[in-house]
Amino acid sequence: DAEITQSPRHKITETGRQVTLACHQTWNHNNMFWYRQDLGHGLRLIHYSYGVQDTNKGEVSDGYSVSRSNTEDLPLTLESAASSQTSVYFCATQRTLNTEAFFGQGTRLTVV
Amino acid sequence: GENVEQHPSTLSVQEGDSAVIKCTYSDSASNYFPWYKQELGKGPQLIIDIRSNVGEKKDQRIAVTLNKTAKHFSLHITETQPEDSAVYFCAASSIEGSQGNLIFGKGTKLSVKP
Repeated sequence: DAEITQSPRHKITETGRQVTLACHQTWNHNNMFWYRQDLGHGLRLIHYSYGVQDTNKGEVSDGYSVSRSNTEDLPLTLESAASSQTSVYFCATQRTLNTEAFFGQGTRLTVV
Repeated sequence: GENVEQHPSTLSVQEGDSAVIKCTYSDSASNYFPWYKQELGKGPQLIIDIRSNVGEKKDQRIAVTLNKTAKHFSLHITETQPEDSAVYFCAASSIEGSQGNLIFGKGTKLSVKP
């Protein structure tokens, strides 16, 4: 079965460190997204990609970057982690816009 | 851009009762409205969706209604069971450009008491 895998599931890092969260999908979907989930804010879009070499900023992109070198992977990098980036991060894919989005299990990131 | 408001933020019902969650959206170009259920420690999962050319859609105990004129849509769960306890998110999107990305409401935590 096709799936979307995030790693690690939990991570603790120190302020100022660079952190990369991995997202790998076997759906062969062109569209991939990164969201963060915080209490009282729901799911907010960080970055998204509609295909290889395509990346776009979402609603809360400051301090984050992504790259898309192949269809399967969209890693999310925190250039210099801040306490405000403590959150649960979800990766998602869609076959096309306006269709079902498939989410990974999430990565809980704590910045101390 | 699109803005989606969701109410209530928490909802507690007795097993067997009905639950209703409501969402409003701002962009009249939005034409796709999915609902996601998130269980503890998991990612959101689609439970039902509706498109703007349909006013109502049902799937067993869940149904979604859409009022395009008023720009609101609702999730109805009948005969609630303890396993319905979860966080529910509504979302909206349009096929046009970046508005095709899903914009989510802030979520409703539903608790079903046995």
